[in-house]
Amino acid sequence: DAKTTQPPSMDCAEGRAANLPCNHSTISGNEYVYWYRQIHSQGPQYIIHGLKNNETNEMASLIITEDRKSSTLILPHATLRDTAVYYCIVRGISGTYKYIFGTGTRLKVLA
Amino acid sequence: NAGVTQTPKFQVLKTGQSMTLQCAQDMNHEYMSWYRQDPGMGLRLIHYSVGAGITDQGEVPNGYNVSRSTTEDFPLRLLSAAPSQTSVYFCASSYSPGGGITDTQYFGPGTRLTVL
Repeated sequence: DAKTTQPPSMDCAEGRAANLPCNHSTISGNEYVYWYRQIHSQGPQYIIHGLKNNETNEMASLIITEDRKSSTLILPHATLRDTAVYYCIVRGISGTYKYIFGTGTRLKVLA
Repeated sequence: NAGVTQTPKFQVLKTGQSMTLQCAQDMNHEYMSWYRQDPGMGLRLIHYSVGAGITDQGEVPNGYNVSRSTTEDFPLRLLSAAPSQTSVYFCASSYSPGGGITDTQYFGPGTRLTVL
């Protein structure tokens, strides 16, 4: 599976959009991009995933560049409850079955 | 559905002791995995399984054993506990690996292990 690179930390003002970037330059054609988040010491929670097209659900939007080498998770109106560590993961049938999380981005939403 | 359950929630061991962390899921998921998370760090994959009778090593398998005799259960055994194994352990499962919505992982609440 392709490796991902994320900034270690970011701040965002409450009510503003939080844009979390992820680089995955070695992604292959049938690999998906997943986003999870971990609040405090709870188990990670699935947010969204995508293959080529942009995706939106009730939690967030996922923007994948046309060359698929990077993506951005957007939390449109960040709240204090969105303070968490956000993980970007690439998964697909071309790699192994190892689900590797990495270190993620620590997002702090400021009041 | 109970989802993914883990027992115990907390455990204190002495160096050299052995124990088994239990993980069960009731979603008929094929893929199950164990992670450890040290303070301030990300999750590291210990072992995983793509179905009953099939297991494989993750990033940090040393000192741990797993088996998968049923679809529902995936216990993690610490053979001889060491202080370096003090961590939070998470179990996760997904319907099937390989990408797509069926590869979405569901996590248990974690087991907080301290080895003295």
